[in-house]
Amino acid sequence: AQSVTQLDSHVSVSEGTPVLLRCNYSSSYSPSLFWYVQHPNKGLQLLLKYTSAATLVKGINGFEAEFKKSETSFHLTKPSAHMSDAAEYFCVVSAPGYSSASKIIFGSGTRLSIRP
Amino acid sequence: DVKVTQSSRYLVKRTGEKVFLECVQDMDHENMFWYRQDPGLGLRLIYFSYDVKMKEKGDIPEGYSVSREKKERFSLILESASTNQTSMYLCASSFGRVHTDTQYFGPGTRLTVL
Repeated sequence: AQSVTQLDSHVSVSEGTPVLLRCNYSSSYSPSLFWYVQHPNKGLQLLLKYTSAATLVKGINGFEAEFKKSETSFHLTKPSAHMSDAAEYFCVVSAPGYSSASKIIFGSGTRLSIRP
Repeated sequence: DVKVTQSSRYLVKRTGEKVFLECVQDMDHENMFWYRQDPGLGLRLIYFSYDVKMKEKGDIPEGYSVSREKKERFSLILESASTNQTSMYLCASSFGRVHTDTQYFGPGTRLTVL
């Protein structure tokens, strides 16, 4: 069975301070993991993904995430928040080896707010 | 750039109406998806198609059907709309390997059923 938990539904940080969005997963197989971002009234866009290569993954707009198998975590970080980072972020886990798309599981989302 | 377009951004329908949501992608992707997005629930898969005329039920297919007659177009059909189908509907496409390839999303259709 697979599951993904985004530990915070809302995170608020000041501009210029670090961002941490937390994601824990459960998977019976070696998973692929993704972070997508959704700006208001827009579709989702890929930030970064882990597919069994380097455990530290760098994405767009200065974001990165580290795959930690022992902690079953894939937390998203950014050293310095920008106003344009305000959006909803989704962590996604998927199970290779299946043909069924139903093994792709989206987290419930974390809304990131940036204070001036 | 990959472009995924959805036929409407906003749609208002009445209970019992048949509703068509259309999605078109321009990158020759094999896979296409329909999701429903509700606050606090993330995205839930309604249907998936991995080729023309091929479809697979997702997690919440009840009350929905789909059609994929051409590779670039994937339609979601609400046979008889109900108020509990009021939601944001997102279409996505991806190239090959379902579980590792990036999904590209359309802007969404916000459907209200009165």
